[in-house]
Amino acid sequence: DAGITQSPRHKVTETGTPVTLRCHQTENHRYMYWYRQDPGHGLRLIHYSYGVKDTDKGEVSDGYSVSRSKTEDFLLTLESATSSQTSVYFCAISPQGNTEAFFGQGTRLTVV
Amino acid sequence: AQRVTQPEKLLSVFKGAPVELKCNYSYSGSPELFWYVQYSRQRLQLLLRHISRESIKGFTADLNKGETSFHLKKPFAQEEDSAMYYCALGYGGATNKLIFGTGTLLAVQP
Repeated sequence: DAGITQSPRHKVTETGTPVTLRCHQTENHRYMYWYRQDPGHGLRLIHYSYGVKDTDKGEVSDGYSVSRSKTEDFLLTLESATSSQTSVYFCAISPQGNTEAFFGQGTRLTVV
Repeated sequence: AQRVTQPEKLLSVFKGAPVELKCNYSYSGSPELFWYVQYSRQRLQLLLRHISRESIKGFTADLNKGETSFHLKKPFAQEEDSAMYYCALGYGGATNKLIFGTGTLLAVQP
């Protein structure tokens, strides 16, 4: 498995609270991504990063922010969690364009 | 806009039967297409990509630009093939962003 870990693996939080999910890689890959997986929607891109401090929005970025201060870490923050953000979140990494993306094991987030 | 469609939520077949998981895409540029698989309790992993034109675990997929399809096929299904399969379209050039279909759950019955 590619060296990619997500933390926490499971989290339950209350509506309105901030939440931060962490993705850590040991592969020194340039590109990092956050996806959410929901029944009937597959995986949808939230945000991605193409280098340290370089990030951009994906297709479902509202309510999420990201930061990448080091090559190995990509953080996803829900500023004020809502029930619609209950989902499984996957981090992925990729060395360069049009190559395989490697996925983390996922974080199951429940907002109550 | 780019889109990936997997029309079947569930495909149930018997062991030894042929399998075809359908995938259609919509993209104005030159497509990069992938099949990813997620086995129970495992992380999502690449099964194959159209550019490599290889067979992985007996699966093949041919890009048909005329029909905008990238169907996944296997002549004889095995029980260990049971998993969720996602078709994905790569876009954005070097940024390698992926648009996923909604997935098809393949259930191979003994």
